[in-house]
Amino acid sequence: QLVLTQSPSASASLGASVKLTCTLSSGHSSYAIVWHQQQPEKGPRYLMKLNSDGSHSKGDGIPDRFSGSSSGAERYLTISSLQSEDEADYYCQTWGSGIQVFGGGTKLTVL
Amino acid sequence: QLQLQESGPGLVKPSETLTLTCTVSGGSISSNNYYWGWIRQPPGKGLEWIGTIYYTGTTNYNPSLKSRVTISVDTSKNRFSLKLTSVTAADTAVYYCAREGNIAATGTGAFDIWGQGTMVTVSS
Repeated sequence: QLVLTQSPSASASLGASVKLTCTLSSGHSSYAIVWHQQQPEKGPRYLMKLNSDGSHSKGDGIPDRFSGSSSGAERYLTISSLQSEDEADYYCQTWGSGIQVFGGGTKLTVL
Repeated sequence: QLQLQESGPGLVKPSETLTLTCTVSGGSISSNNYYWGWIRQPPGKGLEWIGTIYYTGTTNYNPSLKSRVTISVDTSKNRFSLKLTSVTAADTAVYYCAREGNIAATGTGAFDIWGQGTMVTVSS
């Protein structure tokens, strides 16, 4: 079964970097994912597509501070030079066999 | 640029049918490159995929909701719709429509443009 697992929460200081993790279920380590950002009281915004080899393509207007990487079944979103507006929920998503799957989301707090 | 806008009643009674429409502007819903989907988010919770439709009418649904969901498309009006029957309080959520890539055409099978969402409350 295709499942994405995310830690419920993360925190980092203003100006620092943070790395969020999304883990694919067993047998699905070759899958690409996408990352979405959801700021408080807003709808989700597409950040990037991230492939199993770590290559990624960002959506329009996404700052260079956002980057992605991969290792095995893990997909990472790294945000550098954290700003207050980066405080948000981050969701990973993947697809396969006609279904869409979301991770549970990680709530990022910027201290 | 492409925009999606959800519309429909904000309050639905238990056991009734929830009906929402998503109007697409700035682009054609009849593109070979994209599908169109519905996603919901209960208050304080995560995102749940409901289903997806292609402009030809081909659909895919979340197995957990499939028995209650119908998604349809009206290409003449550049919009698609969601019907969810026999609603309960558990269906209270913000409902989003979104554009989904056709992986065969775009290389990505995920949602890349989202509507702003509409809150639907199920209550008598």
